[in-house]
Amino acid sequence: DIQMTQSPASLSASLGETVTIECRASEDIYSNLAWYQQKPGNSPQLLIYDANSLADGVPSRFSGSGSGTQYSLKINSLQSEDVASYFCQQYNNYPPTFGSGTKLEIK
Amino acid sequence: QVQLQQSGAELAKPGSSVKISCKASGYTFTSYYISWIKQTTGQGLEYIGYINTGSGGTNYNEKFKGKATLTVDKSSSTAFMQLSSLTPDDSAVYYCARLSGYGGYYWGQGVMVTVSS
Repeated sequence: DIQMTQSPASLSASLGETVTIECRASEDIYSNLAWYQQKPGNSPQLLIYDANSLADGVPSRFSGSGSGTQYSLKINSLQSEDVASYFCQQYNNYPPTFGSGTKLEIK
Repeated sequence: QVQLQQSGAELAKPGSSVKISCKASGYTFTSYYISWIKQTTGQGLEYIGYINTGSGGTNYNEKFKGKATLTVDKSSSTAFMQLSSLTPDDSAVYYCARLSGYGGYYWGQGVMVTVSS
């Protein structure tokens, strides 16, 4: 199985700041990567697919980039409602595998 | 819109089985496979497998073979997952999910399964 190494495990930032979360795959996943946001008590919500495409209804302050084995999620102008856990998922190989998650808090 | 409505929380004894459901609406049920995913604090997110909602064919992650059994009832647009021979390690939130159509998944609200004597 492809291993997804996500960092950092937790992150604290101020409102209005820009934050970046990274995922590294154990092999090339050809941009077949999704990012999700999960708020406490809720199910994951799709933010980004194909590494850099914004899912429907997702604010444009979220963006994804990367290729090969290295990918990142950037959140511009951090808002209070962005407090959540974020995780990546590769769907290039079966079974799909997930990063361990990043917990984002507001300073 | 796409909705995946899962059944309620389960409390089960070690050695028993549970069967949880996932009722789909807002799209043609047989057009998309249903996947199942396990979430725990310790192990994070683990992919269990998927069922072809049209044919009933299944594909399991090796780790969950013998633990999970996926079935479907097309007449009610509902997918099911049975977990057998439960142990405390099976305590988790279980999600059903559907591919978005272009990448990534839409998820149900999750079912908490607690295994305790």
